[in-house]
Amino acid sequence: GQQVMQIPQYQHVQEGEDFTTYCNSSTTLSNIQWYKQRPGGHPVFLIQLVKSGEVKKQKRLTFQFGEAKKNSSLHITATQTTDVGTYFCAGDSNSGYALNFGKGTSLLVTP
Amino acid sequence: NAGVTQTPKFQVLKTGQSMTLQCAQDMNHEYMSWYRQDPGMGLRLIHYSVGAGITDQGEVPNGYNVSRSTTEDFPLRLLSAAPSQTSVYFCASRYSGSSTDTQYFGPGTRLTVL
Repeated sequence: GQQVMQIPQYQHVQEGEDFTTYCNSSTTLSNIQWYKQRPGGHPVFLIQLVKSGEVKKQKRLTFQFGEAKKNSSLHITATQTTDVGTYFCAGDSNSGYALNFGKGTSLLVTP
Repeated sequence: NAGVTQTPKFQVLKTGQSMTLQCAQDMNHEYMSWYRQDPGMGLRLIHYSVGAGITDQGEVPNGYNVSRSTTEDFPLRLLSAAPSQTSVYFCASRYSGSSTDTQYFGPGTRLTVL
């Protein structure tokens, strides 16, 4: 079945360093969504990418959707302690209704 | 709008006990779903519903039942709790079944089965 793989599983950076998480699908996706979950919290929607090769920015966060719509990345420039959390990507599934979530990348930022 | 609400926030059960996790949304969303989150396993879909009266199984449905009698409510029932069901449970909703719609998550229920 369709799977969304996400790497790395964990990342520990010093504040000010950059961070990137990658998401790969075994099949072509119609769109991809990114969510952030703070420790002890619930996932919160960040952004959606729909078009092949699409790039979107939210302040220090840059999201990309691959040309083949099978991969995506989230890049954070100059991390801050407020960026701590787990970042999930999610793509559509075989059912057409449910989202397939990657296992997430947990980011730890130390001052 | 309250968004997606879940009760209880915390629950401890003994093996074999039954309980219902409540989920409600006030956004008139057609699509609702239940996920469980375990360390290193991400979010795994248990059951979902595309509208009142319609439910379907997700990736890990065994040991759980759901029903959808109204648009607003989507309870998750554990008929006979097992330690393997210790997890954090999230309910989520979105406007339609389209994967392009934003999904909103509730605050979660942290369940421990002894």
